[in-house]
Amino acid sequence: AQTVTQSQPEMSVQEAETVTLSCTYDTSESDYYLFWYKQPPSRQMILVIRQEAYKQQNATENRFSVNFQKAAKSFSLKISDSQLGDAAMYFCAYRSAINFNKFYFGSGTKLNVKP
Amino acid sequence: DSGVTQTPKHLITATGQRVTLRCSPRSGDLSVYWYQQSLDQGLQFLIQYYNGEERAKGNILERFSAQQFPDLHSELNLSSLELGDSALYFCASSNTGGFNEQYFGPGTRLTVT
Repeated sequence: AQTVTQSQPEMSVQEAETVTLSCTYDTSESDYYLFWYKQPPSRQMILVIRQEAYKQQNATENRFSVNFQKAAKSFSLKISDSQLGDAAMYFCAYRSAINFNKFYFGSGTKLNVKP
Repeated sequence: DSGVTQTPKHLITATGQRVTLRCSPRSGDLSVYWYQQSLDQGLQFLIQYYNGEERAKGNILERFSAQQFPDLHSELNLSSLELGDSALYFCASSNTGGFNEQYFGPGTRLTVT
């Protein structure tokens, strides 16, 4: 079975500093997609970044980048130059590229940003 | 504003009742997804429709059902409600059936008493 684990329930970072959120997943498949979603206090869900498993290059979106280690089944999110608006719950998600039914989310990491 | 609308915003009902949640996707989006977010279970994918047909099914209970209509809006029907069904229900839409960005609605907060 595919599972997604976020081992850090809560983290804190100083404004302008860098923080890394961890995510590991369990799968026997070779073709899949990984996502990081952000949920601010407004409860809106926002896609932060997406990674295709067949791509070796790590995805980057402005201040957000991932460290995708396929063999280790690890998908961490790095936030550089943290801003107060980055404070939110962050969810890691896995979706199979073969069986669309397999779409799983981690339990989330609450990120606090200190001024 | 994502362009996805959900109604109602809040719903309070009693155990055993049946409710319908409605979602209108962004203009041009063919896929609709439903999610449940509860305090103790996190975010769970329930079901996906693509252009009127069921595309994928996640952890959706048999008491729940959904459909997507020809105008592409979708409804999630929850029946024989239990206290544990209290949660935030999100709808999301995307312009493809697979892995592109999903745009989430504001959610419907369901409280079962």
